[in-house]
Amino acid sequence: NAGVTQTPKFQVLKTGQSMTLQCAQDMNHEYMSWYRQDPGMGLRLIHYSVGAGITDQGEVPNGYNVSRSTTEDFPLRLLSAAPSQTSVYFCASSQSRGTSVNNEQFFGPGTRLTVL
Amino acid sequence: KNQVEQSPQSLIILEGKNCTLQCNYTVSPFSNLRWYKQDTGRGPVSLTIMTFSENTKSNGRYTATLDADTKQSSLHITASQLSDSASYICVVSGDRGSTLGRLYFGRGTQLTVWP
Repeated sequence: NAGVTQTPKFQVLKTGQSMTLQCAQDMNHEYMSWYRQDPGMGLRLIHYSVGAGITDQGEVPNGYNVSRSTTEDFPLRLLSAAPSQTSVYFCASSQSRGTSVNNEQFFGPGTRLTVL
Repeated sequence: KNQVEQSPQSLIILEGKNCTLQCNYTVSPFSNLRWYKQDTGRGPVSLTIMTFSENTKSNGRYTATLDADTKQSSLHITASQLSDSASYICVVSGDRGSTLGRLYFGRGTQLTVWP
């Protein structure tokens, strides 16, 4: 049981390049989400999905796209990278979107992205 | 505005000493509050979760308290170890309406334990 995995761990892009951050979970969780973590700030929600084929925007969605074709995978796409997208990106999953005490969010190890 | 504030921003203590981290929140309606530990270069890992009706919860050397009336929580670490060096993040879950399922993250307290 690998939990939540993310690839790559590190990535350097030039302004305007595109790339996809991969996220996968093997816990059969319905809810998956992407966060970005910037120095001195709390984690901010980018996009989330409540199940295969269903995605929605979080609080900072601009510049990012997502899709959810399977329960296991939830990739995050940067269409045209900008220096403001330099950050550490975390993928997380939980059984559902609910707030039950049993509904713990599990985080991946993160992807550190630098946009020059 | 729904917010989570943590203090102090950073803390340095000697190995074996105790410390207490603070979390104040304005999230309403409130569902639960979690403390996460985030080691450098890793994702956050849940330490404790507390609901409205719980005042204290322990996980080994970690003890969390919650006062839902004053909307304050604390995380007490006893007999600190070098491995406790990490960022500790307070996360509050909203209960219903626009806050349903929404997680509100504090900025974290960076704890450094020196030998």
